[in-house]
Amino acid sequence: QSALTQPRSVSGSPGQSVTISCTGTSSDVGGYNYVSWYQQHPGKAPKLIIYDVSKRPSGVPDRFSGSKSGNTASLTISGLQAEDDADYYCCSYAGSYTLFGGGTKLTVL
Amino acid sequence: QLQLQESGPGLVKPSETLSLTCTVSGGSISSSSYYWGWIRQPPGKVLEWIGNIYYSGRTYYNPSLKSRVTISVDTSKNQFSLKLSSVTAADTAVYYCARLTVGTTYYFDYWGQGTLVTVSS
Repeated sequence: QSALTQPRSVSGSPGQSVTISCTGTSSDVGGYNYVSWYQQHPGKAPKLIIYDVSKRPSGVPDRFSGSKSGNTASLTISGLQAEDDADYYCCSYAGSYTLFGGGTKLTVL
Repeated sequence: QLQLQESGPGLVKPSETLSLTCTVSGGSISSSSYYWGWIRQPPGKVLEWIGNIYYSGRTYYNPSLKSRVTISVDTSKNQFSLKLSSVTAADTAVYYCARLTVGTTYYFDYWGQGTLVTVSS
């Protein structure tokens, strides 16, 4: 099993939208609707921002949204704000184990 | 509010066994809705899942680490623990414990602050 594939970096200006992809296989991302996304600021623990592909935990702004098509899940952040500058990781259930993505550095210009 | 706190040595010698404990407060580790997991992150690198445990003791491990990992649970102390044997410098990382909500869902919703473990002689 390999890590899920994410772009190494993305960037956008305040107010713009960005989308981060997370590509796996039919044994993980494509096989279950159990994709979650985490935001991590430097020196901090990851924070859950999306679960079950597209659900938002209480307190997470609706600027964050998730979707999935086939073996690829996506996280879209609209109306970018300075505090969105962080690392983002996808995660998928894969039967008897759990996979994280390689992480994406989002830079808010 | 649920809280998780990792504890254990911050320095381990090569070839020895890394041992960490996660103490859960503000909730019971024996709830049927959750597993409890360990995740690590080498400095400047990405998250790596290590394994999960249920309060009954059922475990799931990362196949790449399975031969060296043991996760156990102590429900009387509301704690779960990680042991990683035969460590090398490649095991230097921040180790996180987290709650995994399961059922018709699957996500890590509460995380400890993380603890840095350095493998060095």
